Amino acid sequence: AQSVTQPDIHITVSEGASLELRCNYSYGATPYLFWYVQSPGQGLQLLLKYFSGDTLVQGIKGFEAEFKRSQSSFNLRKPSVHWSDAAEYFCAVGKAAGNKLTFGGGTRVLVKP
Amino acid sequence: SAVISQKPSRDICQRGTSLTIQCQVDSQVTMMFWYRQQPGQSLTLIATANQGSEATYESGFVIDKFPISRPNLTFSTLTVSNMSPEDSSIYLCSVEDYRVLRYGYTFGSGTRLTVV
Repeated sequence: AQSVTQPDIHITVSEGASLELRCNYSYGATPYLFWYVQSPGQGLQLLLKYFSGDTLVQGIKGFEAEFKRSQSSFNLRKPSVHWSDAAEYFCAVGKAAGNKLTFGGGTRVLVKP
Repeated sequence: SAVISQKPSRDICQRGTSLTIQCQVDSQVTMMFWYRQQPGQSLTLIATANQGSEATYESGFVIDKFPISRPNLTFSTLTVSNMSPEDSSIYLCSVEDYRVLRYGYTFGSGTRLTVV
C-alpha cells in the first residue's frame, strides 16, 4: 500500500527566508506526486504535481519540488517566503490517473515578520 | 480546471441526525472522491464514487454510515448518518479533472460539520 510521510509537523520561517518541506513516499512503482496548500478555513489548492519527465517541477506561487527516486522523496521549496505562505501543506501520492490520493500528515508553516 | 460547488459550507447538527452534503461539478467527471479531515488532521479517503455503480468504501468506512449517491457525471452527495460528536470534521469532495489530469485533482471548499 502507498504511504506518505511528512516528517515536520510545524515549521517556522522568517519572511524572506527560504523554505523546504520534506515529503517521503512509499510506493513500488513511479508514483503520481502532488503538493497541496490549505489556508485557514479554505479548501485545498494544487501547488504542483509530478507524473514523469523532468524531476524538478515548477508550480504556482513560486514553489518548486524535486522528485528523487533514489530517496523516495518529493520535497517542496520556495526561495523566499511571504507572509501569505502561512498555511498547511500536504504532500499526496497516487498510483495512477484516476486513482485515489493518499495524503501525508501535513506540515503547518508559520511565517514570522 | 474543474470548478466544484460544495454545500453546505458548514453546519451544526444534533447528534443522532443525518446531514447530506452536495457536490456539484461544472464539467463531467468520471470519478468523484469523498474525504474526511478530522480536526488538526490530514485527509482520509472515505469512498470513491463512479456514476452508475456502487461507491467503493475505504477500510473503516461503511455504506450505512456514509451513503453516497452519484446520479450523473456532475453531481454526488455524501450523507453522514446517525451523527455523533466524533463525526465533527471537514468533509471534502474531489474530482479527477477529466482532461487527463492536466490540472490534477481538484477539491471543493469543504463542509465543516460540528456535531453537538
